[in-house]
Amino acid sequence: SQKIEQNSEALNIQEGKTATLTCNYTNYSPAYLQWYRQDPGRGPVFLLLIRENEKEKRKERLKVTFDTTLKQSLFHITASQPADSATYLCAREGGSQGNLIFGKGTKLSVKP
Amino acid sequence: DTEVTQTPKHLVMGMTNKKSLKCEQHMGHRAMYWYKQKAKKPPELMFVYSYEKLSINESVPSRFSPECPNSSLLNLHLHALQPEDSALYLCASSQLVGQGLYGYTFGSGTRLTVV
Repeated sequence: SQKIEQNSEALNIQEGKTATLTCNYTNYSPAYLQWYRQDPGRGPVFLLLIRENEKEKRKERLKVTFDTTLKQSLFHITASQPADSATYLCAREGGSQGNLIFGKGTKLSVKP
Repeated sequence: DTEVTQTPKHLVMGMTNKKSLKCEQHMGHRAMYWYKQKAKKPPELMFVYSYEKLSINESVPSRFSPECPNSSLLNLHLHALQPEDSALYLCASSQLVGQGLYGYTFGSGTRLTVV
């Protein structure tokens, strides 16, 4: 079956370090992947989208990469801050019908 | 306006009650969605509306009844729910179905508790 997986449930890092989150996909080739941030009790907030023909995309302190050989996307937050603590979700669209399918998410905790 | 607004934010209802969740967007998006999210799980799709017509119903029980009165509004009517239906209900929109190149915009959700 087509899967999108975030294998790390949680990631704890020190303030100022770079956080790296991983999203893997199997049994299909997505045209693009999306990354969202979700705070407790709130809806996901769209952060970045990366297409399969893009190696890297940046937005302020965020960077996303897409490696079609490894079937993997990496999400980086540089110079992390406690305010970056949240759950980060990787997502793909299931097809033309618009079913946005999420990975299980990685809960990032940035300690001062 | 770049928001999806959901009301109410919190709802407690008995198993015999009828209630409705409301969602509104004014971004001109023609695709709207209902998702359900349980604690420590990712959001799961319930319904998709495209141009005000229901295009996907992910085998959701009939006690959940969606409605799209116009291109800006989406409702979810609830009747005879079970305690296991307690969850965060999220509304989302995108420009078109299956074309999320600009991402999906989610509301803050309605925290539903069924007692």
